[in-house]
Amino acid sequence: KNQVEQSPQSLIILEGKNCTLQCNYTVSPFSNLRWYKQDTGRGPVSLTIMTFSENTKSNGRYTATLDADTKQSSLHITASQLSDSASYICVVSAWYGGATNKLIFGTGTLLAVQP
Amino acid sequence: GAVVSQHPSRVICKSGTSVKIECRSLDFQATTMFWYRQFPKQSLMLMATSNEGSKATYEQGVEKDKFLINHASLTLSTLTVTSAHPEDSSFYICSARDLGLDFNTGELFFGEGSRLTVL
Repeated sequence: KNQVEQSPQSLIILEGKNCTLQCNYTVSPFSNLRWYKQDTGRGPVSLTIMTFSENTKSNGRYTATLDADTKQSSLHITASQLSDSASYICVVSAWYGGATNKLIFGTGTLLAVQP
Repeated sequence: GAVVSQHPSRVICKSGTSVKIECRSLDFQATTMFWYRQFPKQSLMLMATSNEGSKATYEQGVEKDKFLINHASLTLSTLTVTSAHPEDSSFYICSARDLGLDFNTGELFFGEGSRLTVL
C-alpha cells in the first residue's frame, strides 16, 4: 500500500533556530517527492521537487534531502522565522507511465515558530 | 509565476442548497485539475481528477452525484456540492498542472482554497 508518513506531527521552535522534518514513504513505482508549505487557511505552495537521482535541493532557507534507497526525505529549515509557522506536507508521486500519475500526501508536520 | 485562482474563498450556505466553486488557471492551460478536501489539522484528501472535455475520475468513497465536477475549458474547472449538508463543511482546494511542463515532474499549482460552511 502506498503511504507517506511524516514526523513529528507538530513541532515548536524558537525563532532563529534550525529544525528538520522527516518524511518516510512506501510508494511504488516512485517518481518524485515534493515538499509543500501550507499556511493556515491557504493553499499549499511548492518548496522543492526531487526525482530519484537527486539527493538534495535547496530553496532559500529550505533544504530537502532524499534517500531513495531507504525511502526517506527530510526538510531542513535554517534560521527559522515567524513566517515559517505553517504545515509542511510531503507528497510522493507514483508514476505508472504515460499520463497515469498518482500523488500520495503525507499528513503534514505543523510547525510553530515562537519569538 | 503560474497562478491558480479559486472562487469563492469563503461561502456559507443553508442546508439543502447547492454551492459552486470555481478553479481557474490564470496564465497557463491545464487539461487536468484536481479537487481536494481538507479537514482541520489533516492533510489534503484527493476527491477527484477533473479532465477537460471528459468525465471526472472520482476517488473511492467520493459520491459523484454529490460532488459534480465540470471541466469545460483548459483554464476552468468547477466543483458543485449538491444539496449540501453540515457534514460537507470543509476546506476545498483545487490544483492544476501546467500543460506545457513535463507531466511527471512538472509543477503542480494549488489554489488558495474555498472554505465551505453549511448551516
